[in-house]
Amino acid sequence: EVQLVESGGGLVQPGGSLRLSCADSGFIFSNYAMYWVRQAPGKGLEYVSAISSSGDSTKYANSEKGRFTISRDNSKNTLYLQMGSLRPDDMAVYYCARPGGSDWGQGTLVTVSS
Amino acid sequence: DVVMTQSPLSLPVTLGQSASISCRSSQSLVYSDGNTYLNWFQQRPGQSPRRLIYEVSNRDSGVPDRFSGSGSGTDFTLKISRVEAEDVGVYYCMQGTHWPYTFGQGTKLEIK
Repeated sequence: EVQLVESGGGLVQPGGSLRLSCADSGFIFSNYAMYWVRQAPGKGLEYVSAISSSGDSTKYANSEKGRFTISRDNSKNTLYLQMGSLRPDDMAVYYCARPGGSDWGQGTLVTVSS
Repeated sequence: DVVMTQSPLSLPVTLGQSASISCRSSQSLVYSDGNTYLNWFQQRPGQSPRRLIYEVSNRDSGVPDRFSGSGSGTDFTLKISRVEAEDVGVYYCMQGTHWPYTFGQGTKLEIK
């Protein structure tokens, strides 16, 4: 069974930084692109970033360019999202997901507030 | 970005009746490989999204055959026949053809 487990969320002040992690167990992590998707409280779903299977190609949604960095460590079966210059509108549950949204983690909540 | 427009946004349904959700995209979702990357998700209260349908009409493993997807180009539909209490939640369409991938606003299905 594919299992994705996010961690690293929490309370951060505006302008602060946070690093999210997503640990994978249950399939060949290094064979697949991976994604971060977020959901603001009571709102819909939004893709944030994508990374190729090898990690050498990354993509970002427009508002995250320059502030977020996606990366992966295939030796540790782990996906990361380094978030900087955080704003109140970045507050959301952040999910990691497999291609096509075939599998999702349980999410980790990021709260941006002073 | 590709805009995904769902209707209706609220869907009250009687148990045992059918329901239908429309999803329209602002651009064609046919990719250069000929495939159409339009997926449907269910999100039950307090849970992560769960994919039901991929590439327009393919049901994911374990998804009841009461769920079906259809459509092409820019116009797509999710149908749920014989709605059950466990179907309550929010349903999203999502396009995976053009980056950034985008979702519809969500359709909240409730039991009358």
